[in-house]
Amino acid sequence: AQKITQTQPGMFVQEKEAVTLDCTYDTSDQSYGLFWYKQPSSGEMIFLIYQGSYDEQNATEGRYSLNFQKARKSANLVISASQLGDSAMYFCAMREATRGSGGSNYKLTFGKGTLLTVNP
Amino acid sequence: SAVISQKPSRDICQRGTSLTIQCQVDSQVTMMFWYRQQPGQSLTLIATANQGSEATYESGFVIDKFPISRPNLTFSTLTVSNMSPEDSSIYLCSVVRQQMNTEAFFGQGTRLTVV
Repeated sequence: AQKITQTQPGMFVQEKEAVTLDCTYDTSDQSYGLFWYKQPSSGEMIFLIYQGSYDEQNATEGRYSLNFQKARKSANLVISASQLGDSAMYFCAMREATRGSGGSNYKLTFGKGTLLTVNP
Repeated sequence: SAVISQKPSRDICQRGTSLTIQCQVDSQVTMMFWYRQQPGQSLTLIATANQGSEATYESGFVIDKFPISRPNLTFSTLTVSNMSPEDSSIYLCSVVRQQMNTEAFFGQGTRLTVV
């Protein structure tokens, strides 16, 4: 079963408007971390924001905020005041507290991504 | 944030050949990871590169196909061996600082095309 689900293959938003990108996750761990990344057409992965499972406040980083609803197991990314440069793929990822060795407990599991297009 | 230099940024290779991708970090990091992103797909972890020991591979990936070196805490290489067109992907290295596990940074990626 998928551990990270992004149900929106593509999203469109008008410049200067806000947009929410959905992410739900599945884990039985109590301790885990949720990440959002932006991947422009160049291919690099740009770290945007992090939310820990024990964090009581929703994470915010500039125009990015994470709407963390633990009971629903959702971690939606909200981008305020969209800009043309925000057009890219966005990936939600989870790090679980696995019991592996050799550092594998820090590995990330990614969703399939959402392609965001910002229209002028 | 960590500065990660990955090279080459892209390459076109003949089938049957091998390509070694380098990942250099500007500071010592405990954990380095190698991911693959096939065209139009999400990222999949290939292996975790450990300094001073063998890499830990994920299910579906083997050392003979993807040998990894980690000679020190700032450098790692991934080799894609005996390439076929199915290996055409973006390969990315990622680092996590153990004391700052709220961040996981990626290199610029290597866009590999096998013809």
